[in-house]
Amino acid sequence: DIVVTQSPDSLAVSLGERATITCKSNETLLYSSNNKNFLGWYQHRAGLPPKLLFYWASTRESGVPDRFSASGSGTEFSLTIASVQAEDVAIYYCQQYYSVPYTFGQGTKVEI
Amino acid sequence: QVHLQQGGAQLLKPSKTLSLTCGVSGGPLTGYHWSWVRQPPGRGLEWIGEINHSGSTNYHPSLKSRVRISLDTSKNEFSLRLTSVTAADTAVYYCARGLRYADYSSPTGVYYYYFYGLDVWGQGSTVTVSS
Repeated sequence: DIVVTQSPDSLAVSLGERATITCKSNETLLYSSNNKNFLGWYQHRAGLPPKLLFYWASTRESGVPDRFSASGSGTEFSLTIASVQAEDVAIYYCQQYYSVPYTFGQGTKVEI
Repeated sequence: QVHLQQGGAQLLKPSKTLSLTCGVSGGPLTGYHWSWVRQPPGRGLEWIGEINHSGSTNYHPSLKSRVRISLDTSKNEFSLRLTSVTAADTAVYYCARGLRYADYSSPTGVYYYYFYGLDVWGQGSTVTVSS
């Protein structure tokens, strides 16, 4: 199985501050035949189902605020919240879908 | 607007079989990967498996001997069956729609299909395994 490891495990920021989460894979997630990185990011707020934020490592899902951005390639990826808002309190997960099983990172808890 | 509807909470005894169904409304079954993900208490998300509209499945290796995902196109729903449950199977179980990307290969004339994210989720079903 591909292992994806997120850091940090938790992150406390003030409102309006920048938050960055890193996701590292033990194998490349860049598929050479189509030059796409097989990684996505999810936001999981308490009491709600997870929400897809980004796919192909950096393509924003429709409706996701532009204060969220994602980047990276190969084995290192990041998710950034440019100016954290109260509604961004959640656990954030990366997920690789390069190969089955489609594994999730352990999650990063973002708190205010 | 696609909506996934799951059943309510379940309490199961060890060694029994877990059965969950996810109803799909507002959109087609074709062209997507229909998936199950679970979250044990205090832990992260775990991908269980998926089925596409033609019935092809992929499962997590750790569950492969006990899990089956099926699709009922006449009822517009898909289901999860997990046998011989233990306390370790206690979790919130989510159904979700998986996006599928089609990549055409000119040299071979074949389409290759790739999963690329779970964009619509059910509300989750709490399953507790306890004697």
